[in-house]
Amino acid sequence: DPKIIQKPKYLVAVTGSEKILICEQYLGHNAMYWYRQSAKKPLEFMFSYSYQKLMDNQTASSRFQPQSSKKNHLDLQITALKPDDSATYFCASSQMGVQDTQYFGPGTRLLVL
Amino acid sequence: GEQVEQLPSILRVQEGSSASINCSYEDSASNYFPWYKQEPGENPKLIIDIRSNMERKQIQELIVLLDKKAKRFSLHITDTQPGDSAMYFCAAPYGSSGNKLIFGIGTLLSVKP
Repeated sequence: DPKIIQKPKYLVAVTGSEKILICEQYLGHNAMYWYRQSAKKPLEFMFSYSYQKLMDNQTASSRFQPQSSKKNHLDLQITALKPDDSATYFCASSQMGVQDTQYFGPGTRLLVL
Repeated sequence: GEQVEQLPSILRVQEGSSASINCSYEDSASNYFPWYKQEPGENPKLIIDIRSNMERKQIQELIVLLDKKAKRFSLHITDTQPGDSAMYFCAAPYGSSGNKLIFGIGTLLSVKP
């Protein structure tokens, strides 16, 4: 059984639209993260959350907003989508923080046309 | 800056030989250095990590060395097999509280039979 679920697996969006990427983890972890992977930037840190609180972020654009409704959920809302946002978005989690083993979800492959 | 330099970007070796990947970081406060393996179409998976209280760690054919003074760490795969062919990423924590994991650009390892 997958311990980190990401939905959807594939997503096609039009420029200017808004999408929400879903992430749920069933590992009992307290920290969750978002990363982006594209040909231009192989594995790029976006956000880290611990106990549902933002710990750090690397994303300059406010178009990317994490949402944590429960401790084991960390969704990513992306507004005003651009073709440059096309990438695979990975959710990850770890027991307490960045210095614990991070387990990655299967990813959501986003294509913005 | 917040960078992890990783070299080489492409590494081709013969089956049975050794492969070495080198990384360097900038933040002397970094104290946790994981290595991830990613196969095509898959998510990154942790293969080995080392903390700053160690200089060497080995798990089967994987050896990690850490030189804190030089701010360098390396992965050595001994007796490589075709199944070792994949993308490998090193990483180090950054940020005021070390709450972001910054990845190197990746090394594409190809093991020829």
